[in-house]
Amino acid sequence: NAGVTQTPKFRILKIGQSMTLQCTQDMNHNYMYWYRQDPGMGLKLIYYSVGAGITDKGEVPNGYNVSRSTTEDFPLRLELAAPSQTSVYFCASSYSSGGGSNEQFFGPGTRLTVL
Amino acid sequence: GQNIDQPTEMTATEGAIVQINCTYQTSGFNGLFWYQQHAGEAPTFLSYNVLDGLEEKGRFSSFLSRSKGYSYLLLKELQMKDSASYLCAVRTTSGTYKYIFGTGTRLKVLA
Repeated sequence: NAGVTQTPKFRILKIGQSMTLQCTQDMNHNYMYWYRQDPGMGLKLIYYSVGAGITDKGEVPNGYNVSRSTTEDFPLRLELAAPSQTSVYFCASSYSSGGGSNEQFFGPGTRLTVL
Repeated sequence: GQNIDQPTEMTATEGAIVQINCTYQTSGFNGLFWYQQHAGEAPTFLSYNVLDGLEEKGRFSSFLSRSKGYSYLLLKELQMKDSASYLCAVRTTSGTYKYIFGTGTRLKVLA
């Protein structure tokens, strides 16, 4: 199993450009999450999904969009990049059945700089 | 509101024991998690508590008191490779599962 994979690893964008961060998991997890982590800070939830076709906003959704057409994929879209979106983006997945730890598994992250 | 507090930074000596505290105020508590994050890497799961008490996994132990909104992570026989950030996270549920993360505690282990 590859676990959670993210592409690209690094990206530099100009203000106003758009891009899609890709995330794929092969563990058949129903829950998937997008976080951003600013330097020296914890993780802030951007969007999450409880299954294919179902998404919801987290703490900091402004400037981002998501879709979940399959169980495996959960892309994050930035439409008009702004310097405030410079951050490290982590995708995570988990299996939630209401019992047990069902911990989150994280991808390696995408380091995004907006200039 | 929902809030998780943990110290920003701690320093300890190789071979020693260190305790990292976490206090939380959240709604719909469904478990407390500790993750380890080395610089430039993704967080990795360390421990999980949902009931009060101590959970032990090798050199790592985690404690939870739900009535006090308090947890700690105990690291024994510290090694240089334990130098990392330790993130406390609470899983909340109001129909769906979400996680609230603290800002992390940066631990430096000195020789």
